[in-house]
Amino acid sequence: EIVLTQSPDFQSVTPKEKVTITCRASQSVGGRLHWYQQKPDQSPKLLIKYASQSISGVPSRFSGSGSGTDFTLTINSLEAEDAAAYYCHQTSSLPFTFGQGTKLEIK
Amino acid sequence: QVQMVESGGGVVQPGRSLRLACVASGFPFSNYGTHWVRQAPGKGLEWVAGISNDGSSQSYIESVRGRFTITRDNPKNTLYLQMTSLRPEDTAVYFCAKEYADFGAFDIWGQGTIVTVSS
Repeated sequence: EIVLTQSPDFQSVTPKEKVTITCRASQSVGGRLHWYQQKPDQSPKLLIKYASQSISGVPSRFSGSGSGTDFTLTINSLEAEDAAAYYCHQTSSLPFTFGQGTKLEIK
Repeated sequence: QVQMVESGGGVVQPGRSLRLACVASGFPFSNYGTHWVRQAPGKGLEWVAGISNDGSSQSYIESVRGRFTITRDNPKNTLYLQMTSLRPEDTAVYFCAKEYADFGAFDIWGQGTIVTVSS
């Protein structure tokens, strides 16, 4: 099973800050790494697919990079509505796995 | 409108069974693999099971293999999760989700249905 480890677990940030969340895989997932946003009492929402591909309707301040075992989700100029939990997810091999999540709090 | 809607959750005693359903609409259901993902109270996301677009291939997380069965009825645009021998640790919100492509991201999610296993 591929273990995904996100960093940090929690971050308190101010609006307009730049935020970086990392996801490290226990073995290579190639480019099959995706990012989701989940707000309280909502289902997850796909933000970035295949490490860096943008999703229609997702604000351009969200971007992703990386390959192999190290990946990054970047949020430029954070907005209040970005308060949420963020998860990375690998679909390179079964069982599919998620990172433990990163909770962003807006100050 | 592209959506997936789960149903069938509830409160059940340990050892009992429950069947979840997920009805899809707004896209060609039979073209895509589909999955169940759960989230225990206050915890992160956990992939539970997946099934290929034609139903010929199924996969499970180890902790549910032999107890849960994922199936689909393509003419009815419906995904199912039959859960037997339920345990308290199966308590969670269960989401259904659609694959963007084979071994791809999950681009459409349902709103979730709550399963509580308790005596």
